[in-house]
Amino acid sequence: NAGVTQTPKFQVLKTGQSMTLQCAQDMNHEYMSWYRQDPGMGLRLIHYSVGAGITDQGEVPNGYNVSRSTTEDFPLRLLSAAPSQTSVYFCASSYGHSNTGELFFGEGSRLTVL
Amino acid sequence: RKEVEQDPGPFNVPEGATVAFNCTYSNSASQSFFWYRQDCRKEPKLLMSVYSSGNEDGRFTAQLNRASQYISLLIRDSKLSDSATYLCVVNRGGFKTIFGAGTRLFVKA
Repeated sequence: NAGVTQTPKFQVLKTGQSMTLQCAQDMNHEYMSWYRQDPGMGLRLIHYSVGAGITDQGEVPNGYNVSRSTTEDFPLRLLSAAPSQTSVYFCASSYGHSNTGELFFGEGSRLTVL
Repeated sequence: RKEVEQDPGPFNVPEGATVAFNCTYSNSASQSFFWYRQDCRKEPKLLMSVYSSGNEDGRFTAQLNRASQYISLLIRDSKLSDSATYLCVVNRGGFKTIFGAGTRLFVKA
């Protein structure tokens, strides 16, 4: 019963490098999203998707791209890493489109940009 | 001003104590409300939804006051295992889910 799986769990990048954080869920959830969590701040929504082929921007989308080619996968791409993107990233999914739905989170990916 | 505000704590309480956390939200159009629990260096997990009528789950009681835009979480008979950060979460429709920064709780033996 995997739930939401994120890889890698830890990553160190140099400024200007690019990388992709992977997220996969096996619960057949339509809704998937990416958050970042920084000290003293709540989780902030980066991008989200309501189904395969559909993505939209959240609160802090700059510097990130996403795509949703399948229901299961929702990768997050950092185009040119900056120190301000040092953070913990969480992928989350939810059943359907209900706003009463529980969010299921992956274990997080800790990214450091030097 | 943050849309969802919580006292960051930390709250340090002995085992067996009763502790209450408060949360305020600024958008009156908010529609659904939750408390999530996050252990150190782990992912958030849903603790309970919050309803206008109030709801209880074992030692945990959640209350919502829409007029005052205020949410609370009461933990009775605290256990060591309750030590965590508690996140107040508000959904204002569609996919606009806003997380508070969290309140840290330490329960001591």
